[in-house]
Amino acid sequence: QKEVEQNSGPLSVPEGAIASLNCTYSDRGSQSFFWYRQYSGKSPELIMSIYSNGDKEDGRFTAQLNKASQYVSLLIRDSQPSDSATYLCAAQGAYSSASKIIFGSGTRLSIRP
Amino acid sequence: ETGVTQSPTHLIKTRGQQVTLRCSSQSGHNTVSWYQQALGQGPQFIFQYYREEENGRGNFPPRFSGLQFPNYSSELNVNALELDDSALYLCASSGWTGEKSSYNEQFFGPGTRLTVL
Repeated sequence: QKEVEQNSGPLSVPEGAIASLNCTYSDRGSQSFFWYRQYSGKSPELIMSIYSNGDKEDGRFTAQLNKASQYVSLLIRDSQPSDSATYLCAAQGAYSSASKIIFGSGTRLSIRP
Repeated sequence: ETGVTQSPTHLIKTRGQQVTLRCSSQSGHNTVSWYQQALGQGPQFIFQYYREEENGRGNFPPRFSGLQFPNYSSELNVNALELDDSALYLCASSGWTGEKSSYNEQFFGPGTRLTVL
């Protein structure tokens, strides 16, 4: 069973600090990786995608990918109360598996004032 | 640009009944994927439609079926509803729009909350 694993949390981070969210995946054939934010009662919102090893920055968000270690992370700088949500890590395969995106169960992030 | 829309927002059915959920893809997107999200879990892939054909299926029984129409909108049908089918059903669309976003990126609609009693 191809899986994406995340710590369920909750992860509590003080306002203004860096929040670090981590994810591992089991399918070495995965090519595309995504981070979604989901507020309670709402649908997931795409915040970052990453396809190559290394870092990708977008505003306060940085996604990191290490395919050798099968590891994806998301850093949120200058955390704000509005960042409090569940963060879903997702992996997508290649070729015949390209249609399927496998999600982790999510990490609950709480930003405390 | 019009985002992904889904209908209805909420639905209550009884065990054994059938249900149809609808999704309109984001403008310019030709691929629709359906997911089931149980409380406290990540979305689980049901199937994907590309140009009106099923293009991949997750581990769901045949009573979960779908359609895609020429305008790329889609339906999810579930027959013989079971209590465990109670969940948030999410539709996501993807496709090449010529923008920086990749073809692989999927954008979700607001979801349909299905309750089976």
